[in-house]
Parts: sequence; structure tokens; C-alpha cells
Amino acid sequence: KAGVTQTPRYLIKTRGQQVTLSCSPISGHRSVSWYQQTPGQGLQFLFEYFSETQRNKGNFPGRFSGRQFSNSRSEMNVSTLELGDSALYLCASSLQGLGSPLHFGNGTRLTVT
Amino acid sequence: KNQVEQSPQSLIILEGKNCTLQCNYTVSPFSNLRWYKQDTGRGPVSLTIMTFSENTKSNGRYTATLDADTKQSSLHITASQLSDSASYICVVSLTGTASKLTFGTGTRLQVTL
Repeated sequence: KAGVTQTPRYLIKTRGQQVTLSCSPISGHRSVSWYQQTPGQGLQFLFEYFSETQRNKGNFPGRFSGRQFSNSRSEMNVSTLELGDSALYLCASSLQGLGSPLHFGNGTRLTVT
Repeated sequence: KNQVEQSPQSLIILEGKNCTLQCNYTVSPFSNLRWYKQDTGRGPVSLTIMTFSENTKSNGRYTATLDADTKQSSLHITASQLSDSASYICVVSLTGTASKLTFGTGTRLQVTL
């Protein structure tokens, strides 16, 4: 069974631009959650989608948004990029949500210059 | 303020030696506690998941313990190998109407010859 796939693997953007990251979950998993990982803050929860609906949300500004498609694939968008948005962005899929085991992708490394 | 504290922040041990990583948490109400291993440049991989009623859980050379009374967990690695070099992250899952995950900042383990 294929694991969680995130694309692209690396991204370099300029301040003020926007970016879209993609996540394909494990087949059959309906929950996709997104995380930001930085050396200073560690892993922080962004939001979770389940069956195309946002079910949980972390404490991030509205510049961070996401969506989930009917095939459970998910995208995350960050608008008006700031230098502080440079991070590893991870997505995870699970069968039933955050309370069940999470399977992480290898992330997208975003660098904002 | 991070309510999941891990110690030590980093650790260097010789191959073949044992080590124990600590996780103290204050978050509640508690649903389960998880330990993840994250290799450099990769996503976290689940090692163990323990519910409130479980005291110990093993996965090969990894053994996690949980004391719900003192709100402490430990991850013991037996007969360490070079491939154990990674970050180890403790994650607490809360119950309630909105699932929430609280992440520790991790322990960076380096196993040397």
C-alpha cells in the first residue's frame, strides 16, 4: 500500500507570494491533517480535514487555508508569505481522525526569501 | 506555553548502549500518548500509542511506559543502533468535542561508534 505522498518536496518563494502544497493520503484514509515544523517551535497543528470538511483547526492566521477533495487528496495554501513561514510542512492521513494512528508524509520544505 | 515537555533536548550514546527519553505532560483530558521517530528530512513514524489504562507498550527494541498519575512517559531504547539516530517526539492526544494533539519539542538522539 502506498504511503502518504507530498508534493513538491522543496519550494522556494519570495515574500508576499502565495504557495499551494499537495498531499495524497493512504488509500482508504478519509482524514488528512497538516502540520508546520520549525526548529524553534517544533511540530504545530494547522488543521484537519475529514470527508471534505474542516473538522479541527490550530492557532494559525487566516493566511493558512486548506481544502480536501472527494478523493481525500488535500491541498494547503499559504497566502502573502512571510519569512517566518519558512518551515517543513507535513501532512498526515488516518482512518478516522486525530485520535487514530497518523501516517505522515515526508513533507514539503518551504523556504521564503 | 508547551504543555508537553521532553528531556533531554539532545543525547549522544555509544552503539549498543541503552537510553531512556522522558516526556512530562500537563494537558488534559487525556486520550492517548504517542511516541514518534523522525529521521532527518523525513516525516515522523509511529513507534507506540498508549491509552490512559496502559502502562507499557513495546515495539521491538523500543519500550514506552506511561504513568498517568504523575503524567510522565518514557521511551526506553535497548541495544541502540546507528539507525536509531533521530528525533523522538512525544505527542499527547486530548479527548473532547474537538480532537487536539499537543506535541513535545523532541529529543535529538545521536548514536555513535
